[in-house]
Amino acid sequence: KNEVEQSPQNLTAQEGEFITINCSYSVGISALHWLQQHPGGGIVSLFMLSSGKKKHGRLIATINIQEKHSSLHITASHPRDSAVYICASHTGNQFYFGTGTSLTVIP
Amino acid sequence: NAGVTQTPKFQVLKTGQSMTLQCAQDMNHEYMSWYRQDPGMGLRLIHYSVGAGITDQGEVPNGYNVSRSTTEDFPLRLLSAAPSQTSVYFCASSYSGKTGLSYEQYFGPGTRLTVT
Repeated sequence: KNEVEQSPQNLTAQEGEFITINCSYSVGISALHWLQQHPGGGIVSLFMLSSGKKKHGRLIATINIQEKHSSLHITASHPRDSAVYICASHTGNQFYFGTGTSLTVIP
Repeated sequence: NAGVTQTPKFQVLKTGQSMTLQCAQDMNHEYMSWYRQDPGMGLRLIHYSVGAGITDQGEVPNGYNVSRSTTEDFPLRLLSAAPSQTSVYFCASSYSGKTGLSYEQYFGPGTRLTVT
């Protein structure tokens, strides 16, 4: 089983702040996913990466395979970014999820 | 495209009852999966399928059955519901790709199940 740990568990930020959420995993993986779960419960995929860095709008995801670590960055945070962010590792056909980081961005 | 659909949205069962949670996707995805989400534990994989006629167990398969007779549908059956199966259930689908699972997952809206 791949242990996936996220930090912090909860995060409160002022609008405009730069935010970093960290994810570490215990064994080698095929890819690392970042997901966003809205307050209403719906889950959407933000990134899937197996090396390097990906950027989409104000969101940036990085991964260091050697250190088994990934980060999700949000630049110029906004109240609409308030959600739970979940990282998940996948190896073969198995997925293992972190418990999520609950982000609240205050105007 | 409707994406991934799940029914019902909410369900209350008594201990020992059986039911089927429905999941369907219209994106021709090979990979489909079922997860449960419990407070403080994150999502956990129950069962998955890499194509019609092929299913396999995930991390927490006990008490659940699945089948995949078509590419579109992947129902999850609870044979004899227990209070420990109270949870939110998500279905997801993805392309598999030629080298294995290498695409993002699309999630259904979830089913909130309570077993009393």
